[in-house]
Amino acid sequence: GENVEQHPSTLSVQEGDSAVIKCTYSDSASNYFPWYKQELGKRPQLIIDIRSNVGEKKDQRIAVTLNKTAKHFSLHITETQPEDSAVYFCAASLTDTGGFKTIFGAGTRLFVKA
Amino acid sequence: EPEVTQTPSHQVTQMGQEVILRCVPISNHLYFYWYRQILGQKVEFLVSFYNNEISEKSEIFDDQFSVERPDGSNFTLKIRSTKLEDSAMYFCASTKEGAYNEQFFGPGTRLTVL
Repeated sequence: GENVEQHPSTLSVQEGDSAVIKCTYSDSASNYFPWYKQELGKRPQLIIDIRSNVGEKKDQRIAVTLNKTAKHFSLHITETQPEDSAVYFCAASLTDTGGFKTIFGAGTRLFVKA
Repeated sequence: EPEVTQTPSHQVTQMGQEVILRCVPISNHLYFYWYRQILGQKVEFLVSFYNNEISEKSEIFDDQFSVERPDGSNFTLKIRSTKLEDSAMYFCASTKEGAYNEQFFGPGTRLTVL
């Protein structure tokens, strides 16, 4: 089955710096890659996603890149702010007719120091 | 903005007891999911449900688990005989059309098995 590896487990950056989180997946059939932000005690919330037919997507300070050949995708946050501090999860989804299974990475705890 | 709701927010039960966790997905959504998150760990896929049947399930979703959509609004997860290791946060999610669509997560039910 699908396995998603995520690194680093913890990331500490200074406010204004960039943060990069990397994930790899094992199942080449996975075709949808969402990223979620989870604040303490809260539900995961989608921050950006990318489909397998796209190599890069950007939304303001957040961007995601996908390398299908290497089965690797990354989240980039620029100009980090203290409110970006949270746990970030990457995920890989295998979509099929009527089926939809999302496998999450282990998460990255991001600390943004003011 | 419509949201996924879950009840109860916290459930405490004795080992071996049955529990039912309830979710009300967003009204025009067609795909429904359950996930669990053991404290401090990643979000784990349990099951996806479409057209009144399970479309995908994980290895975690064994015979002790079942899901049901008893009416047009509720989506339930039943654990027949709870174990200590079932203690976790259980999230329900829904999507409008399934593939490539944002999964909207509910606030979660914290299950504590004593």
